[in-house]
Amino acid sequence: DAKTTQPNSMESNEEEPVHLPCNHSTISGTDYIHWYRQLPSQGPEYVIHGLTSNVNNRMASLAIAEDRKSSTLILHRATLRDAAVYYCIPDGGTGANNLFFGTGTRLTVIP
Amino acid sequence: NAGVTQTPKFQVLKTGQSMTLQCAQDMNHNSMYWYRQDPGMGLRLIYYSASEGTTDKGEVPNGYNVSRLNKREFSLRLESAAPSQTSVYFCASSEGLAFYEQYFGPGTRLTVT
Repeated sequence: DAKTTQPNSMESNEEEPVHLPCNHSTISGTDYIHWYRQLPSQGPEYVIHGLTSNVNNRMASLAIAEDRKSSTLILHRATLRDAAVYYCIPDGGTGANNLFFGTGTRLTVIP
Repeated sequence: NAGVTQTPKFQVLKTGQSMTLQCAQDMNHNSMYWYRQDPGMGLRLIYYSASEGTTDKGEVPNGYNVSRLNKREFSLRLESAAPSQTSVYFCASSEGLAFYEQYFGPGTRLTVT
């Protein structure tokens, strides 16, 4: 299974962009990269996923390095509601037995 | 459209007691999952059900049993609760057996004394 390294915590000012990094140097060629977030006292929430190309949706953008050993989740304008723990999860997609949430990055948004 | 619902929201058990955590989804999803989250840690998969009628063990299945009652409902049973099972339990569902776009319930906070 691919292992990930994320900063334990990050801070951002409100309405500024946030770049959340993730290192997944042991990722295999078929692993998707998923990002989830967990707001305080709530269940996790799907954010975005990608394989090789950069991806955009209404919540965020995902930039994937060309060698796929790292990725960056980009929140274009942080709001107070974006304060959460963000999880980066490589996944082989071949079954549920390798689903693994690490400890993620706790994002604090400063008003 | 309620999404994924879980009952109860909170529960306190004494060691050795049993209980069942209920989960239901109204999105017509095929796959359902049970996770636990201990303080300061990420989620760990307990059991999952790829489709109605099937269940499989995840990372931490010991001390738990599951039942996929129908396509909508997936229950988690603790037969003899232990303090080590004090945790927050999350149920999730997805259209297929995949890690993207899982939808999570609000969680059940369980304390075993």
